[in-house]
Amino acid sequence: NAGVTQTPKFQVLKTGQSMTLQCAQDMNHEYMSWYRQDPGMGLRLIHYSVGAGITDQGEVPNGYNVSRSTTEDFPLRLLSAAPSQTSVYFCASSTQIWNTEAFFGQGTRLTVV
Amino acid sequence: GDSVTQMEGPVTLSEEAFLTINCTYTATGYPSLFWYVQYPGEGLQLLLKATKADDKGSNKGFEATYRKETTSFHLEKGSVQVSDSAVYFCALRRGASGGSYIPTFGRGTSLIVHP
Repeated sequence: NAGVTQTPKFQVLKTGQSMTLQCAQDMNHEYMSWYRQDPGMGLRLIHYSVGAGITDQGEVPNGYNVSRSTTEDFPLRLLSAAPSQTSVYFCASSTQIWNTEAFFGQGTRLTVV
Repeated sequence: GDSVTQMEGPVTLSEEAFLTINCTYTATGYPSLFWYVQYPGEGLQLLLKATKADDKGSNKGFEATYRKETTSFHLEKGSVQVSDSAVYFCALRRGASGGSYIPTFGRGTSLIVHP
């Protein structure tokens, strides 16, 4: 039972490089979201999706793009990496039923130098 | 908008001490409330939840009661262990007509338990 799978687990980028963080879930969840976790800041929502073909911005969307072409996948693209994007990134999924919990991936630790 | 406020950490305790981590929320309607735990190097996982007023969620010796009158969901454990050292997040999900919403998380409270 894989749940939510994030790849890669670790990544080092140079300033200006682009990359895509992958997220896949096998639970047929409608909702998927991306968070970044920084010391003292908790979890901050970057982008989210309530279903295939539908995405919206969260609290800190600048510098990131997302798309949701299938129910299973929700990749996060960094267009031109900056040192301020050094963080741990978490993908989460949940059903649309309001009293159910979110399921998280193991995280991607990204360093931009 | 919705918000969750947790006590700031770190909370440092000796083994077998009593734990309370405070959580209060702001939301319209009647949200579901959750506590998640994050162990070092891992993602968040559900610890317990409560879906209506006066419900008590419990798991692994942890408890939290949904208090609508004080809009609170404080986490408690009677006797903590070193293995409870982790970051704890309080969260809510609001139900609404036309669909429900992405969860809202607090900033997390780090718990350090010494032998």
